[in-house]
Amino acid sequence: DVKVTQSSRYLVKRTGEKVFLECVQDMDHENMFWYRQDPGLGLRLIYFSYDVKMKEKGDIPEGYSVSREKKERFSLILESASTNQTSMYLCASSSSGGSGNTIYFGEGSWLTVV
Amino acid sequence: GNSVTQMEGPVTLSEEAFLTINCTYTATGYPSLFWYVQYPGEGLQLLLKATKADDKGSNKGFEATYRKETTSFHLEKGSVQVSDSAVYFCASMDSSYKLIFGSGTRL
Repeated sequence: DVKVTQSSRYLVKRTGEKVFLECVQDMDHENMFWYRQDPGLGLRLIYFSYDVKMKEKGDIPEGYSVSREKKERFSLILESASTNQTSMYLCASSSSGGSGNTIYFGEGSWLTVV
Repeated sequence: GNSVTQMEGPVTLSEEAFLTINCTYTATGYPSLFWYVQYPGEGLQLLLKATKADDKGSNKGFEATYRKETTSFHLEKGSVQVSDSAVYFCASMDSSYKLIFGSGTRL
């Protein structure tokens, strides 16, 4: 069965802290994504990666960075957390080779910045 | 750029009622289209998809037909159940394999 695992389901961090959100997939997928989900705004793409050590900015990259040192792992980094980054973060992965390929999502990480 | 528009919620229905959630898209070319469902406290699960015009995706009693004439991909179910209560997201996939989502509809 397909599995995208986000290691932290619920986090509470202080303003200014550095925050790491980890995501691992076990499907040998080339593509990995980070989205944030906010009420009324749907899902917005933060960053994505097509291969190890590659990264591309999505629609809302400001205040975030990413790391992909291994194919199965894609980390989202908040360099200095702010209250407007309180949100649900969703990691996803997919294989390359066609626009009909399904993107699989993890269960999400709820981040609260106080 | 590509975009997806879906009907605003919440949608409230009686059990066994007919469900329609409207979704339209704008895109260059013919993107693949998806419906995802999110149950409370969970991530997104793929409900159904269609990769070309006139394709019909179906799963768990839900259906959606890819209509290029009206650039639509409306979600339908003949008889909803309490267990269908969730947030439903319509999405299109652009040429870079990224999903573009609508804002979601709570049922």
